[in-house]
Amino acid sequence: EAGVAQSPRYKIIEKRQSVAFWCNPISGHATLYWYQQILGQGPKLLIQFQNNGVVDDSQLPKDRFSAERLKGVDSTLKIQPAKLEDSAVYLCASSLYSSTDTQYFGPGTRLTVL
Amino acid sequence: QQPVQSPQAVILREGEDAVINCSSSKALYSVHWYRQKHGEAPVFLMILLKGGEQKGHDKISASFNEKKQQSSLYLTASQLSYSGTYFCGTEKDSGYALNFGKGTSLLVTP
Repeated sequence: EAGVAQSPRYKIIEKRQSVAFWCNPISGHATLYWYQQILGQGPKLLIQFQNNGVVDDSQLPKDRFSAERLKGVDSTLKIQPAKLEDSAVYLCASSLYSSTDTQYFGPGTRLTVL
Repeated sequence: QQPVQSPQAVILREGEDAVINCSSSKALYSVHWYRQKHGEAPVFLMILLKGGEQKGHDKISASFNEKKQQSSLYLTASQLSYSGTYFCGTEKDSGYALNFGKGTSLLVTP
């Protein structure tokens, strides 16, 4: 069974530029998550989708971050404009139904904002 | 309501045991444990649900005390491969987002 796929794996941008990350969850998984992990910290949930509806986006900085889940499968997370403090690893995860189920994480995208 | 993990870091010799604790100030529905190696994604270890039993596989087990709102992860006869950062994620009710702790760094030396 294929795991969660993410791209790109690494990205370096200047502050105020925009960037987009892509995630393809495990086939059949209804719930998809985007986490931000700052060095030395645990993952922090940015947004949770169930199918193509948003379940929780309370910690998403909506003035600069946006996310969508196309047809309830793939998802894109965008940052526009980026700030220095956005430097982090962005992890995508998916689970079969809800957050009570096992979450399977992708390899992450390491973002560096200069 | 980020859970608090303790200790922050621990160093073991191969074969020694360790306990990692995860405490919450709020009532919990479930606790999830993950291990993350440097530069890699977190990998699922186990889930403990409210009202459930202690779980374990191989030499890693965990318990969940609902009254104390805490969970403990037990690593027995540690192996080099156990090195990494252990995170607990807590769910306040079914379907709610996980809140992850800051992690416990575990290093097992030969």
